[in-house]
Amino acid sequence: AQSVAQPEDQVNVAEGNPLTVKCTYSVSGNPYLFWYVQYPNRGLQFLLKYITGDNLVKGSYGFEAEFNKSQTSFHLKKPSALVSDSALYFCAVRAALSGSARQLTFGSGTQLTVLP
Amino acid sequence: EPEVTQTPSHQVTQMGQEVILRCVPISNHLYFYWYRQILGQKVEFLVSFYNNEISEKSEIFDDQFSVERPDGSNFTLKIRSTKLEDSAMYFCASSERGPQPQHFGDGTRLSIL
Repeated sequence: AQSVAQPEDQVNVAEGNPLTVKCTYSVSGNPYLFWYVQYPNRGLQFLLKYITGDNLVKGSYGFEAEFNKSQTSFHLKKPSALVSDSALYFCAVRAALSGSARQLTFGSGTQLTVLP
Repeated sequence: EPEVTQTPSHQVTQMGQEVILRCVPISNHLYFYWYRQILGQKVEFLVSFYNNEISEKSEIFDDQFSVERPDGSNFTLKIRSTKLEDSAMYFCASSERGPQPQHFGDGTRLSIL
């Protein structure tokens, strides 16, 4: 079984400061990891993914995430937060060698609030 | 940029009735999915669909649910004999072949009265 933990329900950060949203995962074998963002009354919008290769992946809107296999983590980061980054962020995982199984397992989400 | 579109955006139905939620996936995508999100809870996988058949389904996806791709563009989720606990946001998603991200629609909010 695969699972994702987002230990913080809420993260507050001042505009211009760096932000980190934490994610740890559990999966059999190698993981495919994803971050999505959800704005009010909207669907999940893809931000970035880790499939293989460099542990630091870059995505949309200046976000990046660092894959750490030993700590089974995939934390989302941004060097300088914007008020417009305020939204609900979801981490998701699926097993790399899963054949036809492509279901994503999501974390419970972290509400990011960037304060002006 | 191509998008996944879902209709209706909000559906209100009496308990016991049947509902059909509709989705138009991104045109060159091959894999289609339904997820749901009960208010305040996690996004949960329901079912995936490939090559005109279900490729995997969760424990939630029981005989009450069915999916269909009636033509080359639409992908539907049917819920029979709706229950109060079926009230949720239902998201459709689609993806290309390979380890590509799933792209989500804006969802249908289903309210069972």
